[in-house]
Amino acid sequence: NAGVTQTPKFQVLKTGQSMTLQCAQDMNHNSMYWYRQDPGMGLRLIYYSASEGTTDKGEVPNGYNVSRLNKREFSLRLESAAPSQTSVYFCASSLRTGGNEQFFGPGTRLTVL
Amino acid sequence: GDSVTQMEGPVTLSEEAFLTINCTYTATGYPSLFWYVQYPGEGLQLLLKATKADDKGSNKGFEATYRKETTSFHLEKGSVQVSDSAVYFCAPLSGGSNYKLTFGKGTLLTVNP
Repeated sequence: NAGVTQTPKFQVLKTGQSMTLQCAQDMNHNSMYWYRQDPGMGLRLIYYSASEGTTDKGEVPNGYNVSRLNKREFSLRLESAAPSQTSVYFCASSLRTGGNEQFFGPGTRLTVL
Repeated sequence: GDSVTQMEGPVTLSEEAFLTINCTYTATGYPSLFWYVQYPGEGLQLLLKATKADDKGSNKGFEATYRKETTSFHLEKGSVQVSDSAVYFCAPLSGGSNYKLTFGKGTLLTVNP
């Protein structure tokens, strides 16, 4: 099992460009999450999908959109990147929301110039 | 929603020293409590958890006890190793946060040989 995979690992964008971060899990989990990690801020939830077909905003959703493509895949899109979106992005999944362990991907380091 | 206060880092110890990383939380009702660890260049992984008062979570020599009376979940290890160098995150999960993890800001631990 690969667990949670993310692509790309690194990306540099110019202000105003768009891109999609891809995430896939092979653990048959129902719930998936997108976080961003900034120095001194811990991890903050951007969006989550409790189950296939549903998505909800987290703590910091502005400037992002998500798509739960199927049970395995959950993508994060930046329509018009801004320097404030420079961060490390982590995807995670869990069997369901609630007290279940979340499994994290290796992260995507994004720089917006 | 939930909130977490974690011991400010960085923490630098010599090998075989005793480790304590303090964590206190605010949450609705009876949250589950988690410690996650992030090794350099990797995503987060679950270190240990406790789901009810007075439970002790343990893994890899690390322990934490769920103290409801003091709303604390301090992480301890009796003898740290160089390989324990990482960032440690405390996270409660409760209905008050709609059953989503709320991460502390993280504590960087460096263990010197």
